[in-house]
Amino acid sequence: DAKTTQPPSMDCAEGRAANLPCNHSTISGNEYVYWYRQIHSQGPQYIIHGLKNNETNEMASLIITEDRKSSTLILPHATLRDTAVYYCIAVNRDDKIIFGKGTRLHILP
Amino acid sequence: DTGVSQDPRHKITKRGQNVTFRCDPISEHNRLYWYRQTLGQGPEFLTYFQNEAQLEKSRLLSDRFSAERPKGSFSTLEIQRTEQGDSAMYLCASSLEVNTIYFGEGSWLTVV
Repeated sequence: DAKTTQPPSMDCAEGRAANLPCNHSTISGNEYVYWYRQIHSQGPQYIIHGLKNNETNEMASLIITEDRKSSTLILPHATLRDTAVYYCIAVNRDDKIIFGKGTRLHILP
Repeated sequence: DTGVSQDPRHKITKRGQNVTFRCDPISEHNRLYWYRQTLGQGPEFLTYFQNEAQLEKSRLLSDRFSAERPKGSFSTLEIQRTEQGDSAMYLCASSLEVNTIYFGEGSWLTVV
């Protein structure tokens, strides 16, 4: 599976859009980009995934660059409850999810 | 709630004792995963089942660890002769075939 690189931490003001970057320069053509988050002391929560096209759901939007070497998770209107560790994972379909260290996102009031 | 259910949520045990955790996956999910997480680290993969077959085990899963999924529904993770280094949160997840896995709330183990 491709290795992903994320900043260790980020801050975002409440109500603003939180943009979380992820580099996956060695991603292969059949690897998906998955995002999970983990709020303190809880199990990880699935957010969104994509292959090539940008994706949007009720939680977030995923923007994948055309060369697929990086992506950005966008939380459009961050709230205090979005404070969590966000994990970006590149994985073959049907393979297990391997987590890195993720980005610790702090939403500031 | 029909999410992944784990029991117990918290367990404190003395070093050398055996502990068992149970996981009930989302109904009809045929894949079930176990992960372990220590403070400040991301979840680490331990093992996974497809139906009742254990398809992969991490090197992290020492001989003291055993996981079962006897009827392809719930699963148990047993740790024998616990050590202080086993203190962690043990996470169970399930999926329907492919990668979108859904996690339970985890079982916290403290070995004293």
